[in-house]
Amino acid sequence: GAVVSQHPSWVICKSGTSVKIECRSLDFQATTMFWYRQFPKQSLMLMATSNEGSKATYEQGVEKDKFLINHASLTLSTLTVTSAHPEDSSFYICSARDPGLAGAIDTQYFGPGTRLTVL
Amino acid sequence: LAKTTQPISMDSYEGQEVNITCSHNNIATNDYITWYQQFPSQGPRFIIQGYKTKVTNEVASLFIPADRKSSTLSLPRVSLSDTAVYYCLVGDMVNDYKLSFGAGTTVTVRA
Repeated sequence: GAVVSQHPSWVICKSGTSVKIECRSLDFQATTMFWYRQFPKQSLMLMATSNEGSKATYEQGVEKDKFLINHASLTLSTLTVTSAHPEDSSFYICSARDPGLAGAIDTQYFGPGTRLTVL
Repeated sequence: LAKTTQPISMDSYEGQEVNITCSHNNIATNDYITWYQQFPSQGPRFIIQGYKTKVTNEVASLFIPADRKSSTLSLPRVSLSDTAVYYCLVGDMVNDYKLSFGAGTTVTVRA
């Protein structure tokens, strides 16, 4: 299957600082990437859809000014958590849409996740 | 987004076949059914995807009846390493490609 990477895999920061998480599709071009958040013992929650070259689309209840998303190229999307607070501590996971071969159905592949801890 | 319903948990033993059924009564024409596996502190891993009838790959089979209101993931001869959470998702793979995760099914494989 296609490979999606995330960097860093974990990060610890102080309250009030900003943290940037990178999501890369390694062997395919992804015009669309997605960002999810997962709290312990819970399912994944979709935060936003990131489209290459355009503004991200946020899900209801997700603050766009707090979670800045940039999708500057077909293989890279970044999520910046601005002025992070302890309640932002979570597991952040990205996915990328792989269009596959001509005539094939698109498939989403997920990155390994980034564990954010805000002190 | 079409809502899915699947059992919260299932127990099995090594070497057995595990079948997880997912209900998606309001599935739409452009919706595809995709299953993912997730281990703790890891991103979901793609297992299989289909639209109708039967799909098989090297790790699983997916059975979808004609009305598409449910689907069954079949894992043949499970091992201890198959202990994980399995998610059934229904999403529009033609237009917005969004996936909505439900609670998933925790499958526990015992020796």
